[in-house]
Amino acid sequence: QVQLQQSGPGLVKPSQTLSLTCAISGDSVSSTGAVWHWIRQSPSRGLEWLGKTYYRSNWSKEYVPSLRSRMTIDPDTSRNQYSLQLNSMTPEDTAVYYCARGRNFALDSWGQGTLVIVSS
Amino acid sequence: EIVLTQSPGTLSLSPGERATLSCRASQSVTSTYLAWYQQKPGQAPRLLIYGASNRATGIPDRFSGSGSGTDFTLTVSRVEPEDFAVYYCQRFGDSPSFTFGQGTKLEIK
Repeated sequence: QVQLQQSGPGLVKPSQTLSLTCAISGDSVSSTGAVWHWIRQSPSRGLEWLGKTYYRSNWSKEYVPSLRSRMTIDPDTSRNQYSLQLNSMTPEDTAVYYCARGRNFALDSWGQGTLVIVSS
Repeated sequence: EIVLTQSPGTLSLSPGERATLSCRASQSVTSTYLAWYQQKPGQAPRLLIYGASNRATGIPDRFSGSGSGTDFTLTVSRVEPEDFAVYYCQRFGDSPSFTFGQGTKLEIK
């Protein structure tokens, strides 16, 4: 059974970069049957998909257009995990951030969530 | 971008009653790409239904999904106390890969 364990800070200062990691157990970040996502949730925007990475014959990444210029998602095959970096953080980026596995065009396993507050 | 609109916003029922939750898309959605989630306070969403009508692993058979085109439904045949939560529909598509409805809160009457 796959488990996703998130780590990273809960408080980020404005203009700084958020870095979150999602450690995978029970599956492989290199699996050709899975896609690895980041989603966030806030009262103002609801559930918002941020981006994904996946491996088929090579690595692919896709980001939501509104955040593409600020975001990076990277796989780490040596540690079987993947990460999210979001730079130039503002208070509007305050949200609960989730990692999740995608299969069958749905998100079948989720991390526990990380509440990220952007404040000085 | 396809918008998913869920109704009602809040559904007040007693345990044992039948719950019917609606998800309407602004354009036609391939059934394969439609999913439903349950979220309880302080928890991550949990996948209930994928492909519009397929129950995810471990989901009780009182949960069922149906629909096609622009109208999809999640039904809970007899609501149990642990079913009171917020429910979201979700569509897979092209950039962005996933969009979600705004949610329906199922509350105890």
